[in-house]
Amino acid sequence: DIQMTQSPSSLSASVGDRVAITCRASQMISDYLNWYQQKPGKAPNLLIHGASNLQSGVPSRFSGSGSGTDFTLTISSLQPEDFATYYCQQGYSTPRTFGQGTNVEIK
Amino acid sequence: EVQLVESGGGWVQPGRALRLSCAASGFSFGDFAMHWVRQSPGKGLEWVSGISWNSDDIGYADSVKGRFTISRDNAKNSLYLQMNSLRAEDTAFYYCARDIASWYFDNRGYFGDWGQGTLVTVSS
Repeated sequence: DIQMTQSPSSLSASVGDRVAITCRASQMISDYLNWYQQKPGKAPNLLIHGASNLQSGVPSRFSGSGSGTDFTLTISSLQPEDFATYYCQQGYSTPRTFGQGTNVEIK
Repeated sequence: EVQLVESGGGWVQPGRALRLSCAASGFSFGDFAMHWVRQSPGKGLEWVSGISWNSDDIGYADSVKGRFTISRDNAKNSLYLQMNSLRAEDTAFYYCARDIASWYFDNRGYFGDWGQGTLVTVSS
């Protein structure tokens, strides 16, 4: 199975900050990497697919980059509604695997 | 509007069985692969099982293989998960998720829509 490792596991940031979350795959996965946001008590919500493609309806302050084994989710200017947990997920092979999550908290 | 509504969760003793259902609406259900993804309380996400649009291809996580069975009824716009020989470690929220692809193993696929989840608690 492909292991997905996110860093950091948690971070504290202020509104307006630029935030970057990284995700590393245990083997090459091309650009088959997706990002989800999950708020407490809610289902995950797709943000980015194919490493860098913004899902319809997702604010443009979210962006994704990377290919191969290393990927980054960037929030250009953190908003109050962005405080949540973020997960990466590889689609290169089954079983589809997720990173352990990154909890973005208010500083 | 895409809607996915899970049902069938609840409390069950170890070793017993439970069947989850997911009712889909707002899209052409028979065109897309579907999945079950679970999340233990306070933990991360784990893919459980996937099924292609025509049920010809099915996959399971090693943790549930041989105990869980995924199925779908395209005429009823419904997805199912039969869970047998349940264990305490199966305790989780179970989410139904729609793939953007038709084949569950398509690497261009991703989980585009999710249900609200149903909680399964396995405890004596």
